[in-house]
Amino acid sequence: DAGVTQSPTHLIKTRGQHVTLRCSPISGHKSVSWYQQVLGQGPQFIFQYYEKEERGRGNFPDRFSARQFPNYSSELNVNALLLGDSALYLCASSRVGTVHSYTFGSGTRLTVV
Amino acid sequence: KNEVEQSPQNLTAQEGEFITINCSYSVGISALHWLQQHPGGGIVSLFMLSSGKKKHGRLIATINIQEKHSSLHITASHPRDSAVYICAVKRADTDKLIFGTGTRLQVFP
Repeated sequence: DAGVTQSPTHLIKTRGQHVTLRCSPISGHKSVSWYQQVLGQGPQFIFQYYEKEERGRGNFPDRFSARQFPNYSSELNVNALLLGDSALYLCASSRVGTVHSYTFGSGTRLTVV
Repeated sequence: KNEVEQSPQNLTAQEGEFITINCSYSVGISALHWLQQHPGGGIVSLFMLSSGKKKHGRLIATINIQEKHSSLHITASHPRDSAVYICAVKRADTDKLIFGTGTRLQVFP
């Protein structure tokens, strides 16, 4: 069974551009969460989607948006990129329940120049 | 003050040493996760705890819910254990994870 897959693995964009990051969860996992990890820090929560609905949003500007598709895959979109958006973007999938485990993807490393 | 604090931030050890990494949190949680992150960035889930103690190979994780504290122990450490170890908690009132800043472990032969 494939793990959580993220694409692309690396990306270089210019300030002001737009970027779309993709995540495919483990089969059977209906929840997808996105996290931003700036170098030297722990990941910060951006969004959680479950059954195609937003279940939670972190303290990120409206330039960040996401959606979940009927097959439970997800996209994270960032508009008007800033240098400070350079980070590792991690996707985690889980079965939602009272207590559940997360499986993380390898991440997309975004560099904004 | 961060809701999840880890110590130490950096740790070096000689191969074979017993290692302890600590995590304290200040919120009500439903679960605590210990994660391992290698230089490439990918994160591997080591343990999920809601009470007591778990063991997997040379790794042991414990949690004290009353004291809001967890520890990750590595017995007979090996250079391949070198990585960043991250504590993350799932708050009782949301579905999101809150991460500590990680402990960078280097084990030398």
